Amino acid sequence: GAVVSQHPSRVICKSGTSVKIECRSLDFQATTMFWYRQFPKKSLMLMATSNEGSKATYEQGVEKDKFLINHASLTLSTLTVTSAHPEDSSFYICSALGGPGNTIYFGEGSWLTVV
Amino acid sequence: AQSVTQLGSHVSVSEGALVLLRCNYSSSVPPYLFWYVQYPNQGLQLLLKYTTGATLVKGINGFEAEFKKSETSFHLTKPSAHMSDAAEYFCAVSLSGNTPLVFGKGTRLSVIA
Repeated sequence: GAVVSQHPSRVICKSGTSVKIECRSLDFQATTMFWYRQFPKKSLMLMATSNEGSKATYEQGVEKDKFLINHASLTLSTLTVTSAHPEDSSFYICSALGGPGNTIYFGEGSWLTVV
Repeated sequence: AQSVTQLGSHVSVSEGALVLLRCNYSSSVPPYLFWYVQYPNQGLQLLLKYTTGATLVKGINGFEAEFKKSETSFHLTKPSAHMSDAAEYFCAVSLSGNTPLVFGKGTRLSVIA
């Protein structure tokens, strides 16, 4: 089956630094990837939709300058949290559109803790 | 706009009892409906999905869900709960198979021995 891998699975960074999370479709090409954020014990909120080779489309209320999304190839999208603050601590999950049945597959998620 | 309402943030059942997790949706077009399970500190695993056709959908781990258009519901059931079913369950809706999912707030299922 189709596999979507996120890296790192867990990261701790200092307040004020930037951290990058990668989302890779391992065995299929994904023209579109979606980034979600999940607060503790809460649901998943769509942050942005990224299409290969073009600018990401951000949901209302998501700071595009803080959450930089790049979809440079058909198998890789990255989310960079810039100038991270403790309130950015969260579980970030990506999903990729493609593969068998041209459906959406989710990554394992990445835990970000900002200290 | 689409939305999902999951009734009950926490459901507790005895091992061997029926599991029923409720989901109602709102959609301006015929919806695609999904149920995902999330175990602690893990990502999402697709249990089942409804796109078109048969309204009773069977998924993994003995779960099934029925799409009822008249009730705008997509409740998840399992005849007999196992301890390993304890997890967070999310219902989701989308406009099609390639548009982003809108998730409900989730229901935490506890299974009591």
